[in-house]
Amino acid sequence: NAGVTQTPKFRVLKTGQSMTLLCAQDMNHEYMYWYRQDPGMGLRLIHYSVGEGTTAKGEVPDGYNVSRLKKQNFLLGLESAAPSQTSVYFCASSYSPWGNSYEQYFGPGTRLTVT
Amino acid sequence: GQQVMQIPQYQHVQEGEDFTTYCNSSTTLSNIQWYKQRPGGHPVFLIQLVKSGEVKKQKRLTFQFGEAKKNSSLHITATQTTDVGTYFCAGQGGATNKLIFGTGTLLAVQP
Repeated sequence: NAGVTQTPKFRVLKTGQSMTLLCAQDMNHEYMYWYRQDPGMGLRLIHYSVGEGTTAKGEVPDGYNVSRLKKQNFLLGLESAAPSQTSVYFCASSYSPWGNSYEQYFGPGTRLTVT
Repeated sequence: GQQVMQIPQYQHVQEGEDFTTYCNSSTTLSNIQWYKQRPGGHPVFLIQLVKSGEVKKQKRLTFQFGEAKKNSSLHITATQTTDVGTYFCAGQGGATNKLIFGTGTLLAVQP
């Protein structure tokens, strides 16, 4: 099992450009999440999904969109990138929501720089 | 909204010394998880605490959940260089019932 994979690993964008980050999991997990990690801020939830075809907003959803067309994939889109979106993005998945005795499995991360 | 704070932000110890990080929530939690992130890596789940006053041990790591379920701690006895990384707590609770990650504590261990 590959677990949770993310593509790309690194990306540099110019302000105003768009891109999509792809997350895939092979553990048949219902729940998937997108976080961003900034120095001194911990992990902040951007969007999450409780199942195929569903999405919901997290703590910091502005400037991002997501889609969960297939159970194993969760896409994060930036329509018009801004320097404030420079960050490391982590995708995670879990069998059950939040802390119901099931941990979150994280992908290796995508380091995004917006110039 | 719900906030989860950790102290200290950074700790530098000599190998063999003990280390403790503290996690405090602004709201009562239903449970708390702990994760470790090695430098350049991704967070990896360590443990979950659910009961008030719960204490769990994993080899040299001791995790505690406060009686009021608003705070937690992670204590490492006799640190090793393999303990280097950032330790995050993540608490579930509050109005949203979402899992909120703490700010993390970066542990550096000097051999």
